Amino acid sequence: EVQVVGSGGGLVQPGGSLRLSCAAAGISFSSYWMSWIRQAPGKGLEWVANINQAGSEKYYVDSVKGRFTISRDNAKNSLYLQMNSLRVEDTAVYYCAREGRGSFDPWGQGTLVIVSS
Amino acid sequence: EIVMTQSPATLSVSPGERATLSCRASQNINTNLAWYQQKAGQAPRLLIYGASTRATGFPARFSGSGSGTEFTLTISNLQSEDFAVYYCQQYKIWPPGYTFGQGTRLEIK
Repeated sequence: EVQVVGSGGGLVQPGGSLRLSCAAAGISFSSYWMSWIRQAPGKGLEWVANINQAGSEKYYVDSVKGRFTISRDNAKNSLYLQMNSLRVEDTAVYYCAREGRGSFDPWGQGTLVIVSS
Repeated sequence: EIVMTQSPATLSVSPGERATLSCRASQNINTNLAWYQQKAGQAPRLLIYGASTRATGFPARFSGSGSGTEFTLTISNLQSEDFAVYYCQQYKIWPPGYTFGQGTRLEIK
């Protein structure tokens, strides 16, 4: 059964840190690039970061470079997003998703991050 | 960065009718385009990739077309479960990153 489950979201103050996790099953995790994509409340989708199969290539949207770090553990079929120096504008639902030929499928259910004082 | 522009922002259509959604890229992306369906409170689902190939689980009433800078998603014989927000996404120009359109909300007329 295909399952992608994100976790780790919550309420954090501006300048704080949070680590998101994504556990995958049934998707041949180690064979694919993986991405994080976010959606601010009531807004559209924004690609945040991705990582190749070996974890040796990582790319980020400009607005999170130097603050967020994507990583993976293929032995645990898990994807991570370490978020530091969080800003109010980082408030969003964060989705993890498998990449295939540039499109995303499947998506996790999303985990909500709220940055507020 | 490639900008993806979807129109209209909201489309009101009656069940059983046809809906036509548009997506425009700011530069040529060939057929490197995907469409997603997102229902309220749910994660997006891949609907179309390669501009015209339907993803698993979606019926033939969903069709995608276009290449270059102009793309269309057509939904025929609209069913109640089709009313949702639809996003297009380009994946030709990467890095630096993938970009999405702002979405079209398909609502019941």
